[in-house]
Amino acid sequence: EAQVTQNPRYLITVTGKKLTVTCSQNMNHEYMSWYRQDPGLGLRQIYYSMNVEVTDKGDVPEGYKVSRKEKRNFPLILESPSPNQTSLYFCASRRLAGGPSPDTQYFGPGTRLTVL
Amino acid sequence: GQQLNQSPQSMFIQEGEDVSMNCTSSSIFNTWLWYKQDPGEGPVLLIALYKAGELTSNGRLTAQFGITRKDSFLNISASIPSDVGIYFCAGADAGGTSYGKLTFGQGTILTVHP
Repeated sequence: EAQVTQNPRYLITVTGKKLTVTCSQNMNHEYMSWYRQDPGLGLRQIYYSMNVEVTDKGDVPEGYKVSRKEKRNFPLILESPSPNQTSLYFCASRRLAGGPSPDTQYFGPGTRLTVL
Repeated sequence: GQQLNQSPQSMFIQEGEDVSMNCTSSSIFNTWLWYKQDPGEGPVLLIALYKAGELTSNGRLTAQFGITRKDSFLNISASIPSDVGIYFCAGADAGGTSYGKLTFGQGTILTVHP
């Protein structure tokens, strides 16, 4: 089954304790992206990657890091989490060109993060 | 960064009514997308628009790419209870399907009363 998986789905942590949220896709998609969703603010893009070893900033990259060492994985790293990073996080992937529906971005199930 | 203003923020309608929502921006976007998010799920793409003036339909949904490239609207005809959810517009600087950076609107929460 084609899917984007995220782990963990729920996480409660404390300020300053480094954490990583994993994202993996099994569709051989070139493009992957991270978003955060907050009430009244919609979705905001954190980082995106057009292919392996190619990453770029979205609208809200501060306080986050990413890496794209393999095509299927795109982990989101919070080196020193703060309470304002409490949010619902979505990973997504899509094919960049060719094949049916290159524009369809597949979203993972979301990770709800609480930073105390 | 760029911002998209989506309106209305919420809508309460009766089943069978038509719905209209729109997004405006102070800057130009060359690709417009519309997504729907069901409770507890990630967003799902409804319609993609690539050309200014383009009008595209997907079943009961119709979306248009504004001629100025600074706005887009989504219409839903004859709403049904399963249309309930949050609708998001999104814009990209890059044209076509090669965009990377994507800016989302704040969302429109749609409630449909049977």
